[in-house]
Amino acid sequence: AQSVTQPDIHITVSEGASLELRCNYSYGATPYLFWYVQSPGQGLQLLLKYFSGDTLVQGIKGFEAEFKRSQSSFNLRKPSVHWSDAAEYFCAVGGRGSTLGRLYFGRGTQLTVWP
Amino acid sequence: NAGVTQTPKFRVLKTGQSMTLLCAQDMNHEYMYWYRQDPGMGLRLIHYSVGEGTTAKGEVPDGYNVSRLKKQNFLLGLESAAPSQTSVYFCASSYQLAEVQETQYFGPGTRLLVL
Repeated sequence: AQSVTQPDIHITVSEGASLELRCNYSYGATPYLFWYVQSPGQGLQLLLKYFSGDTLVQGIKGFEAEFKRSQSSFNLRKPSVHWSDAAEYFCAVGGRGSTLGRLYFGRGTQLTVWP
Repeated sequence: NAGVTQTPKFRVLKTGQSMTLLCAQDMNHEYMYWYRQDPGMGLRLIHYSVGEGTTAKGEVPDGYNVSRLKKQNFLLGLESAAPSQTSVYFCASSYQLAEVQETQYFGPGTRLLVL
């Protein structure tokens, strides 16, 4: 069964610092992988997704993520964080076969940005 | 193009009361989903639908029912609300091609408090 682990519940960084949010997945085949962001009181917005091909994926708002099959990871990065990036970030893995269409979410990482 | 909308935005219920949450999408998506979000738990799938007239159970279906009478609408019902159903409920939809996991688009959420 698919599952996602986000090891960091809460991360605090200073504005302008680099950011890496960790995501590990469990899935037997090539996964579909997603990162979503949720601002306070809002729904989820897609940052980026990986289906196949180039393992470095570019997303919106200057974010990127790298798929590493050997480590079962899909970590999200940003070189310089802005105060507006403060939000909760969710990694998700997509199902295949009988579970195609379903997403399995991690528990989220809350990002705080200090000015 | 409104995307995914949810009604109501906020509701307070007493234990044992019933209510229906409405989700509507104007993107002609085949698949629709209901999730609940609880602190530290990420998003968990309640029920989903792969097309008009079809529904299926997700991870946490107990205490909820759903209906998809029209392609654009997906209703979530609580027959007898319990305090454990206090949560934020999100609806999502996706245009699902065969064998490819598509992006899910989320509504703004409904906050439900059961006293």
